[in-house]
Amino acid sequence: NAGVTQTPKFQVLKTGQSMTLQCAQDMNHEYMSWYRQDPGMGLRLIHYSVGAGITDQGEVPNGYNVSRSTTEDFPLRLLSAAPSQTSVYFCASSSQRRANYGYTFGSGTRLTVV
Amino acid sequence: QQQVKQSPQSLIVQKGGISIINCAYENTAFDYFPWYQQFPGKGPALLIAIRPDVSEKKEGRFTISFNKSAKQFSLHIMDSQPGDSATYFCAASDTDKLIFGTGTRLQVFP
Repeated sequence: NAGVTQTPKFQVLKTGQSMTLQCAQDMNHEYMSWYRQDPGMGLRLIHYSVGAGITDQGEVPNGYNVSRSTTEDFPLRLLSAAPSQTSVYFCASSSQRRANYGYTFGSGTRLTVV
Repeated sequence: QQQVKQSPQSLIVQKGGISIINCAYENTAFDYFPWYQQFPGKGPALLIAIRPDVSEKKEGRFTISFNKSAKQFSLHIMDSQPGDSATYFCAASDTDKLIFGTGTRLQVFP
């Protein structure tokens, strides 16, 4: 089992460009979420999903879109990248249909916006 | 407004010593309190977790102490080892969202 797979591992974008960060899990987990990690700020929740077809906003959703068409995939879209979105992004999943259980994290995507 | 406050920001401990990291929360709807360990270049990994119906949970050298009335919880690492050097995050969750603290960088010196 691969667990939670994130691609790409590294990405450099120019301001205003768009891109999609991919996240896939092969554990049949219902709950998936996206976090960004910045120095001194810990991990902040961007968006989450309790199952296919259901998404909701986290702590810092502005500038990001998500969709959940399948149980396995939960892509994160940046429509117009800004330097403030330079960060390390982590995708996580949980076997339960709610947040209050253990998470499995991916290895992260390091994004730089210039 | 930070929902989960974590301290200290960094911690230096000698090998064999006890490492203690503290967290406090505001939201009384939180019912799950995990600790995650993160090594450089890796994603966080679940270390240990507690629910508010118990005051303490121990797994090997790692212990969570939980004080529901004070809305505080802490991680104790006994007999700290150089391999424990990592960043530790506390977190708190209700049914919808898992909210993290800002992290503690632990360095254990031989």
